[in-house]
Amino acid sequence: KAGVTQTPRYLIKTRGQQVTLSCSPISGHRSVSWYQQTPGQGLQFLFEYFSETQRNKGNFPGRFSGRQFSNSRSEMNVSTLELGDSALYLCASSLDRQDDEQYFGPGTRLTVT
Amino acid sequence: GENVEQHPSTLSVQEGDSAVIKCTYSDSASNYFPWYKQELGKGPQLIIDIRSNVGEKKDQRIAVTLNKTAKHFSLHITETQPEDSAVYFCAAVWGNTPLVFGKGTRLSVIA
Repeated sequence: KAGVTQTPRYLIKTRGQQVTLSCSPISGHRSVSWYQQTPGQGLQFLFEYFSETQRNKGNFPGRFSGRQFSNSRSEMNVSTLELGDSALYLCASSLDRQDDEQYFGPGTRLTVT
Repeated sequence: GENVEQHPSTLSVQEGDSAVIKCTYSDSASNYFPWYKQELGKGPQLIIDIRSNVGEKKDQRIAVTLNKTAKHFSLHITETQPEDSAVYFCAAVWGNTPLVFGKGTRLSVIA
């Protein structure tokens, strides 16, 4: 069974630009969660989508948004990029619930200059 | 909300020795406790997990113990090998609330 895939793997953007990251969950998984990982803050929860609806949201500004499609694939968007948005963005998928086993993708390394 | 504390932040052991990483959580409602291993340049990999109705779970050289009364859980790695070197994260969750992660432990196994 294929794992969680994320594209692109690396991205370099300039302050003020916007970016879209993509995540394809494990086949059959309906929940997709997004995390931001930085050396200083660790793994921080961004949001979770289930059946095309945002089910949970973390404490991030409105510049961070996401969506989920009918095939469970998910995208996250960051608008008006800031230097502090440089991070590894990880998505994880699970069958249905947050307390189901969650499997992570390899992440997208975003660098904002 | 849930808060997870993880200790130590760094751990060095000799190859063949055991390693223990401890986490405490704040929300007594938490019922699922996974452990992840993250190698350089990769996403976190689920290595073992435990649910609140179980006190201990073992998978080859890896074991996890849970003390619900004290609200702490631990990862035990026996007969460590150089390929065990990585950053390990604990997490806690209940129901459909988001996973809350510890800050991570960097384990170095010295050959």
